Amino acid sequence: DTEVTQTPKHLVMGMTNKKSLKCEQHMGHRAMYWYKQKAKKPPELMFVYSYEKLSINESVPSRFSPECPNSSLLNLHLHALQPEDSALYLCASSQEGYRELFFGEGSRLTVL
Amino acid sequence: AQKVTQAQTEISVVEKEDVTLDCVYETRDTTYYLFWYKQPPSGELVFLIRRNSFDEQNEISGRYSWNFQKSTSSFNFTITASQVVDSAVYFCALSEDNAGNMLTFGGGTRLMVKP
Repeated sequence: DTEVTQTPKHLVMGMTNKKSLKCEQHMGHRAMYWYKQKAKKPPELMFVYSYEKLSINESVPSRFSPECPNSSLLNLHLHALQPEDSALYLCASSQEGYRELFFGEGSRLTVL
Repeated sequence: AQKVTQAQTEISVVEKEDVTLDCVYETRDTTYYLFWYKQPPSGELVFLIRRNSFDEQNEISGRYSWNFQKSTSSFNFTITASQVVDSAVYFCALSEDNAGNMLTFGGGTRLMVKP
């Protein structure tokens, strides 16, 4: 079983809805990531948090708003999304000094 | 700029066959890290291996083996005696030393192992 837990596994939302994706890890990792993956494509980096501070934002539209309440939790707040935002959203974490990322199973988002 | 190319988009084999997944990378850094991840239908990317640019030793882990050749900028992955459970999408990825833990992924290779 993955040690990075993402909820919900599936989410369907309208373009006017506000929803959130949640990610939790208890491995003591201090870096956490959000990736977006469209069908038959590789994951694309969205955000990186390091020690609970946003360190990288890959020019993601403001309708995606990340939040890191503590070192174990990472949220992605969604508002006014477009149908083209439908994708698998993957959370990952990594340990200080190590390069390997550990991924959750993802949240599959459908925007109607 | 860094780039990872997985030329094989799909491979289909019959169980017990050996299969090699190709990965070619481009980077200007002398220090970098290469990875292979497996993505089964469940969606999670499973870490398989990390190699740094100073370690060209090939590695074997059970039925899996990796061949890292800096001379050809390749980091190929071989599964020996494939099994149906090996069916997944496999991603090769690169992380440059000065890019933190940011991964550049290849396009992925979908491996289908038929019984």
